[in-house]
Amino acid sequence: SQQGEEDPQALSIQEGENATMNCSYKTSINNLQWYRQNSGRGLVHLILIRSNEREKHSGRLRVTLDTSKKSSSLLITASRAADTASYFCAWYSGGGADGLTFGKGTHLIIQP
Amino acid sequence: DTGVSQNPRHKITKRGQNVTFRCDPISEHNRLYWYRQTLGQGPEFLTYFQNEAQLEKSRLLSDRFSAERPKGSFSTLEIQRTEQGDSAMYLCASSPGQPQRTEAFFGQGTRLTVV
Repeated sequence: SQQGEEDPQALSIQEGENATMNCSYKTSINNLQWYRQNSGRGLVHLILIRSNEREKHSGRLRVTLDTSKKSSSLLITASRAADTASYFCAWYSGGGADGLTFGKGTHLIIQP
Repeated sequence: DTGVSQNPRHKITKRGQNVTFRCDPISEHNRLYWYRQTLGQGPEFLTYFQNEAQLEKSRLLSDRFSAERPKGSFSTLEIQRTEQGDSAMYLCASSPGQPQRTEAFFGQGTRLTVV
């Protein structure tokens, strides 16, 4: 499957700082989603932004979507040690495919 | 716990053996997905069921892989004649039938190691 690109691949910041992750995808989308994965565990859904939305907030999360550039960003404000995890963007490709396509992920480390 | 449940959590097998994994989705979800994830990569879609019908299969799903969802509830993923390249985390997810293409709820995964 064609995975998108996420950058950076890894990000290390101090607790309290903001973390920004970017995602690029290759196809038309219905919506774009962000998931978190703690080490060696399943994925947890964080937020979904529809293709007709440009920005969405949920708690300390802010997601933007630019369909003209086929890109999205996830901002985590006031980071905490518990935010240490891998973050993946994901989308349903066009053409009726019903499985999510995931980016390669950003590994975020929050230094206490 | 009403989340997605996967068993076993870990499986070590010798090359050439068959293995079977089980997934119990959230009870009211009629969509069930299998994904495979290798180290440092995002999950890759394998196959998808709506109720008991297998509606889509990725080209990643070789003929050694078979998945079933006999009564539209739990699902099994079997790998025959395992190879070292099959070592990965196998993730199951479920979602409601409506609205379509919404968030997926993932299990904790089964980590397969082929030695």
